Amino acid sequence: GDSVTQMEGPVTLSEEAFLTINCTYTATGYPSLFWYVQYPGEGLQLLLKATKADDKGSNKGFEATYRKETTSFHLEKGSVQVSDSAVYFCALSDRNFNKFYFGSGTKLNVKP
Amino acid sequence: KAGVTQTPRYLIKTRGQQVTLSCSPISGHRSVSWYQQTPGQGLQFLFEYFSETQRNKGNFPGRFSGRQFSNSRSEMNVSTLELGDSALYLCASSTDTRHLEAFFGQGTRLTVV
Repeated sequence: GDSVTQMEGPVTLSEEAFLTINCTYTATGYPSLFWYVQYPGEGLQLLLKATKADDKGSNKGFEATYRKETTSFHLEKGSVQVSDSAVYFCALSDRNFNKFYFGSGTKLNVKP
Repeated sequence: KAGVTQTPRYLIKTRGQQVTLSCSPISGHRSVSWYQQTPGQGLQFLFEYFSETQRNKGNFPGRFSGRQFSNSRSEMNVSTLELGDSALYLCASSTDTRHLEAFFGQGTRLTVV
């Protein structure tokens, strides 16, 4: 079945450091891929998405490229801020079953 | 445009009781999905409704049920609560039947004691 694997956290970085959170997926079809962010005590917020191979999703300085050949969708940001501290979830949508599959989440801590 | 609204935000229930959670999707969205989030299991799919019909269900016992009304609002019910049902329950709404994009509510934090 479909699944998402993302790197375990927590990831601790200093402000202005470069961020990469790895995400790989397994899917039988052609899923859409997403990154969601969750702040403490909150629900999930859509950060960015890509709907087909080679698409690049971007938002608030974060980027991720849909790589079909490596089945990956790694999240990157060139310079993180303290306010980026949160849990990040990689996800794919299964168009056949109208559901999302989520990775286990990666907690990011950014220190001033 | 109002976002997804879940009520209540917090609930404390006793084992054996039942509970009903509510979700109002974004106006115009006809698909509503429910997810359970726990530290141990992460985010798990419960079920999805579209135009009052359940289209898909996750691997949860029959104690978990849901429904959707004609105005797209949805409720989920958990009967005979167990301690392990303590979790954050998230509702997501989508306008696209292929779930290209889902918007989540803030969740209902259920604690079973």
